[in-house]
Amino acid sequence: GAVVSQHPSRVICKSGTSVKIECRSLDFQATTMFWYRQFPKKSLMLMATSNEGSKATYEQGVEKDKFLINHASLTLSTLTVTSAHPEDSSFYICSARGGVGENQPQHFGDGTRLSIL
Amino acid sequence: SQQGEEDPQALSIQEGENATMNCSYKTSINNLQWYRQNSGRGLVHLILIRSNEREKHSGRLRVTLDTSKKSSSLLITASRAADTASYFCARNNDMRFGAGTRLTVKP
Repeated sequence: GAVVSQHPSRVICKSGTSVKIECRSLDFQATTMFWYRQFPKKSLMLMATSNEGSKATYEQGVEKDKFLINHASLTLSTLTVTSAHPEDSSFYICSARGGVGENQPQHFGDGTRLSIL
Repeated sequence: SQQGEEDPQALSIQEGENATMNCSYKTSINNLQWYRQNSGRGLVHLILIRSNEREKHSGRLRVTLDTSKKSSSLLITASRAADTASYFCARNNDMRFGAGTRLTVKP
């Protein structure tokens, strides 16, 4: 089946650091990728939708200058948490959808646990 | 706002019993998808049901869809301890998730 690789799986860093998370579709071309944030025992909150070659569409309340998304190729999207602070600590998950149209399942990465000290 | 509200929020059953989880949504759909998440992991796609379908099966999983009531249900038959996880539904239109149902299957 389709595989999405998310890296790194865990990051611990100091406040003020910028952290980049990569999301790769390994065996399909992902025209659309989604970035989510999840708090403990809570649901996934959609942060932004990115389409290859165009600017990401951010959800209301998500700071685009804080969470930079780049979807430069059909197999790679990156999320950069800039100048991270302890409140940015969370579980970040990406997903990718290949093919044309909305009747394609989403394939998820295994998530990145970000801890800001 | 997030779409797709699951209920119950938590469900605890004995191994071998059936588990039923429900999902309600507010606006129209092209299709609805069910996912499973083990603690601290990503989501695994279970079943996609299209808006013109009423029922779909995959192994021990059975999904129904009632577009008139804007609701769907996921039935897991003969549950196993390994089915313990959180289950979410999402509209494929916007891929927003509800709070999910945390299923615990006791051995």
